[in-house]
Amino acid sequence: DGGITQSPKYLFRKEGQNVTLSCEQNLNHDAMYWYRQDPGQGLRLIYYSQIVNDFQKGDIAEGYSVSREKKESFPLTVTSAQKNPTAFYLCASRDRMTEKLFFGSGTQLSVL
Amino acid sequence: QQQVKQSPQSLIVQKGGISIINCAYENTAFDYFPWYQQFPGKGPALLIAIRPDVSEKKEGRFTISFNKSAKQFSLHIMDSQPGDSATYFCAASRNTGGFKTIFGAGTRLFVKA
Repeated sequence: DGGITQSPKYLFRKEGQNVTLSCEQNLNHDAMYWYRQDPGQGLRLIYYSQIVNDFQKGDIAEGYSVSREKKESFPLTVTSAQKNPTAFYLCASRDRMTEKLFFGSGTQLSVL
Repeated sequence: QQQVKQSPQSLIVQKGGISIINCAYENTAFDYFPWYQQFPGKGPALLIAIRPDVSEKKEGRFTISFNKSAKQFSLHIMDSQPGDSATYFCAASRNTGGFKTIFGAGTRLFVKA
């Protein structure tokens, strides 16, 4: 079953805590993306990576960090510096030939 | 320059009717215009996409109309069904600079049975 797998589906963060969201893909795509979705708003780009060991900040990178050590994996860490982390987080990868984005099922992060 | 403006914010359509969602962009460097459909608690999925060299693309009940001079494009859903009730996002991207996709704010569509 190919695609993007995000885990966990629900995550709770305590004050001052860093949390990491997992994103794995078996589509053999080079490019991967993290988006944040708030109610009634569009998807805003946090970070993206076009190739292993390389990544760039998106429009709202402050308070977040990523790594891309393997082609299949692109984890996102929400640090304690992110003061308003409650949102639905979406990971995606891009097919270079069709330019189509494939999304995971998302992680809902809430603050305790 | 990077924004994609989408309207309406929400839409209620009778079953069998036509749903129309509009988007406008500013950056003429965009060269790929997809529409994504999202159901609650799920990630978006590509519905249909168009490039600026054509003015219309149809796939089943879904049609994109593209007006390059006006920098606008729209999604038409013919014979709308209750199963079409979802949030729809227009988007735009270009094949340079990391290929970032810019999304509209979304339209919540509800089709009444």
